[in-house]
Amino acid sequence: GAGVSQSPSNKVTEKGKDVELRCDPISGHTALYWYRQSLGQGLEFLIYFQGNSAPDKSGLPSDRFSAERTGGSVSTLTIQRTQQEDSAVYLCASSPRTDTQYFGPGTRLTVL
Amino acid sequence: SQQGEEDPQALSIQEGENATMNCSYKTSINNLQWYRQNSGRGLVHLILIRSNEREKHSGRLRVTLDTSKKSSSLLITASRAADTASYFCAPMPISSGSARQLTFGSGTQLTVLP
Repeated sequence: GAGVSQSPSNKVTEKGKDVELRCDPISGHTALYWYRQSLGQGLEFLIYFQGNSAPDKSGLPSDRFSAERTGGSVSTLTIQRTQQEDSAVYLCASSPRTDTQYFGPGTRLTVL
Repeated sequence: SQQGEEDPQALSIQEGENATMNCSYKTSINNLQWYRQNSGRGLVHLILIRSNEREKHSGRLRVTLDTSKKSSSLLITASRAADTASYFCAPMPISSGSARQLTFGSGTQLTVLP
């Protein structure tokens, strides 16, 4: 079946612009995660959605970052007033009611 | 969440040989997962072993777990060039919060030479 999809695959933006990254999880998966991975860094947790519960935003690095999940399915991660340190690969993962996570291919964000 | 530490940092072997990677962690866990990441296919879940299991197999993969030593190993048998990737372990602590997010260390970079 279809896996997790993310768009765009690559995004180049100028410092100070806003960007939106999209994630389509696997159908039926109740949990959705956003992570980012910077060059030479490990996996950094950003935010977690589970069903209709309030999201766990504890990993968001600043108030410039926000995310929403509409209808319990598609999610959008928004970064406002992008900075060069926001450059990274942003990964989305979804999960059924288990600990196994299924990752999308990621969006490579470059802030010039 | 808790970060596992993979060892070695890099491993280079010939095609057909076996590759063994190790993972150590610090606290009690519910389970431990292994993931693979290569440039072409992103992060892929390989196998999950529960705390009450000692060994698990999946195809050419064999995972062991020793909770008394807080360590796990991943063995890839009869390696192929396509196994070239970074491998990460993700221990899931018993005390993990509701998010149960994954935390990776720096991984083991495996290179399989043809």
